[in-house]
Amino acid sequence: GAGVSQSPRYKVAKRGQDVALRCDPISGHVSLFWYQQALGQGPEFLTYFQNEAQLDKSGLPSDRFFAERPEGSVSTLKIQRTQQEDSAVYLCASGSRRSNRDRVGYEQFFGPGTRLTVL
Amino acid sequence: LAKTTQPISMDSYEGQEVNITCSHNNIATNDYITWYQQFPSQGPRFIIQGYKTKVTNEVASLFIPADRKSSTLSLPRVSLSDTAVYYCLVGYGGSQGNLIFGKGTKLSVKP
Repeated sequence: GAGVSQSPRYKVAKRGQDVALRCDPISGHVSLFWYQQALGQGPEFLTYFQNEAQLDKSGLPSDRFFAERPEGSVSTLKIQRTQQEDSAVYLCASGSRRSNRDRVGYEQFFGPGTRLTVL
Repeated sequence: LAKTTQPISMDSYEGQEVNITCSHNNIATNDYITWYQQFPSQGPRFIIQGYKTKVTNEVASLFIPADRKSSTLSLPRVSLSDTAVYYCLVGYGGSQGNLIFGKGTKLSVKP
C-alpha cells in the first residue's frame, strides 16, 4: 500500500553497536516524526522534520541519537553506542493537514515501527 | 502542551457501546482533540479528530462540551477486533509535531 514503511521491523544489537533505522513516509508528506515507545507506554516524541529541516529535536534522549532526512523524503534514525535502555519500538509518522468544515486539523500516519532490542 | 487524563483500562462485551472519557483541563485555544487506536505490534492509527461539539465518522463519535476541558470517544457496538489501546491527545500536531500520547486506555472486548 501507500502507507508509512519502516525497516528493519526487528533489530537486535549488542550493547555498544551503532544502529540505523529507516523510515519511508507517505509520498508528498512534508512532515515527518520519530517516536520512541517503551513496553506498556505510549509513544514519546523524539524529533520532527519539515521537508529536510529538522525543526525540533527536543525529545532525543542523548547525543547518541541522531536523525536525518537529507532529501526531504526518507529519514534515518541513528543510535550510536547502543545501551540496554535504548530497547524500545521506534515509530515513524508522516503528517498531513485535514480539512474540517470549520477548521483545518492535522493527522499523523504511523508506520509499524522497528523493535530494537539491545543485549 | 495540555496533559490528558484517561482511564487505564476498560472492559466491555461485544455489541455494547463504549464511551471513553478524557480530561484535558489546560487545553489551548488552537488545540485539537484527537484519538488514536493502537493494536499490538502496530503503530497508532488515527480514529477521529475534533475541535468542538460533536464529530462523527464511520467508526466513532467524539463529543466535546463547550468548555473543551474533556472529550468522550464513543464506539458503537464494539466487536472483539476493537480490543486495543486508545489514546487521547490534544495539540495541533502540525508545525510543533510533539504530540503527547500518555499511557492510553486499554479496552478489552469480551465475547
